[in-house]
Amino acid sequence: SAVISQKPSRDICQRGTSLTIQCQVDSQVTMMFWYRQQPGQSLTLIATANQGSEATYESGFVIDKFPISRPNLTFSTLTVSNMSPEDSSIYLCSVVRGRSADTQYFGPGTRLTVL
Amino acid sequence: KNEVEQSPQNLTAQEGEFITINCSYSVGISALHWLQQHPGGGIVSLFMLSSGKKKHGRLIATINIQEKHSSLHITASHPRDSAVYICAVPMYSGGGADGLTFGKGTHLIIQP
Repeated sequence: SAVISQKPSRDICQRGTSLTIQCQVDSQVTMMFWYRQQPGQSLTLIATANQGSEATYESGFVIDKFPISRPNLTFSTLTVSNMSPEDSSIYLCSVVRGRSADTQYFGPGTRLTVL
Repeated sequence: KNEVEQSPQNLTAQEGEFITINCSYSVGISALHWLQQHPGGGIVSLFMLSSGKKKHGRLIATINIQEKHSSLHITASHPRDSAVYICAVPMYSGGGADGLTFGKGTHLIIQP
């Protein structure tokens, strides 16, 4: 298994500000993903965090709004920029160890409220 | 890109009942995931399966690759099983560790 921690676990922010969420894994992993879950909605993939290069974003998500870093094989950050109330969501980091469709392990999530 | 349909959306049952949650997807996959989400938002992976059937305690997951369908069963349900159960598949067909696309989830409430 993989032990994943996320910081912060929750935050309340003012619109127009930015928040950086950290994801730390206890061992090296192959893939790291960032998901968003808006209230009452299903989880949606924001991007794949690539180690040492730019993240791969899904349709509807852009780097200017959600810049992502992954400086090594155990750590990644997601920034939610210029926040609005529509960004109020749970943000989840997940990881995969292998190259095949291995079990994905999920972090505990960051609950963000934007006022 | 894969699409996932889950049913039912909501399910309330009495303690001890046998529970079935269904999941269908649109594109052939290498593996399907069943996840459990608690009210606080935390997600736990229950099963990852690519064929046949898996059992863990009172939980049983089955998959029919040809039919593109999977079921999650809970035997002798208990109030602590109350949670949202989510089916997820790789976003794109083929192998490799893809990001997942998720069903909308089944809100399960087990009443004592």
